[in-house]
Amino acid sequence: EVQLVESGGGLVQPGGSLRLSCAASGFTFGGSWMSWVRQAPGKGLEWVANIKEDGGKIYYVDSVKGRFTTSRDNAKNSLYLQMNSLRAEDTAVYYCVKLAARQCMDVWGQGTTVTVSS
Amino acid sequence: QSVLTQPPSMSAAPGQKVTISCSGSSSNIGRNYVSWYQQLPGTAPKLLIYDNDKRPSGIPDRFSGSKSGTSATLGITGLQTGDEADYYCGTWDSSLSAGVFGGGTKLTVL
Repeated sequence: EVQLVESGGGLVQPGGSLRLSCAASGFTFGGSWMSWVRQAPGKGLEWVANIKEDGGKIYYVDSVKGRFTTSRDNAKNSLYLQMNSLRAEDTAVYYCVKLAARQCMDVWGQGTTVTVSS
Repeated sequence: QSVLTQPPSMSAAPGQKVTISCSGSSSNIGRNYVSWYQQLPGTAPKLLIYDNDKRPSGIPDRFSGSKSGTSATLGITGLQTGDEADYYCGTWDSSLSAGVFGGGTKLTVL
């Protein structure tokens, strides 16, 4: 079964850091682009980042550039999102997503909640 | 303000048909493939349509997609109460070098 399981969410103060992890199984992780998508409470979906199969190409939404870093460990079938200088507006459910061709998001994790508040 | 524009809400009766529009520009929909996602209440989004008009296995043919120019459309026929959900269109924007979504359409089946 193809599965993505996120972890690492929680409550953090503004300016703080958090590292999200995503464990992948049931497909060739090292052969897949991956993505992070977030959803603020009561709001729509927002694309956050894409990372190429080998990590050699990464794209970010402007609002997180310089603060968030995505990486992957293909040997561990894992995707990561390091989030620094967190702001209240980063509060959201963060989804780990498998990308098929042409920005098609074909597998979604269950999401992990990040709350930035003092 | 989303890059792609969708109607915030739509409603229709069970058994009826609904079409949800997604409007973009030449740098996103006009140049790239569109996907559609269904998000049932309290759950993660699920892929409904990819490559403008293709259905993943397991998605009933009541769901269809199309694209023309800088707009895309999701069609749902034979509406069921279980279709009540938020629907999102998504694609890549070649000018922004970023993924983009529509703001989402809340479908009510009443």
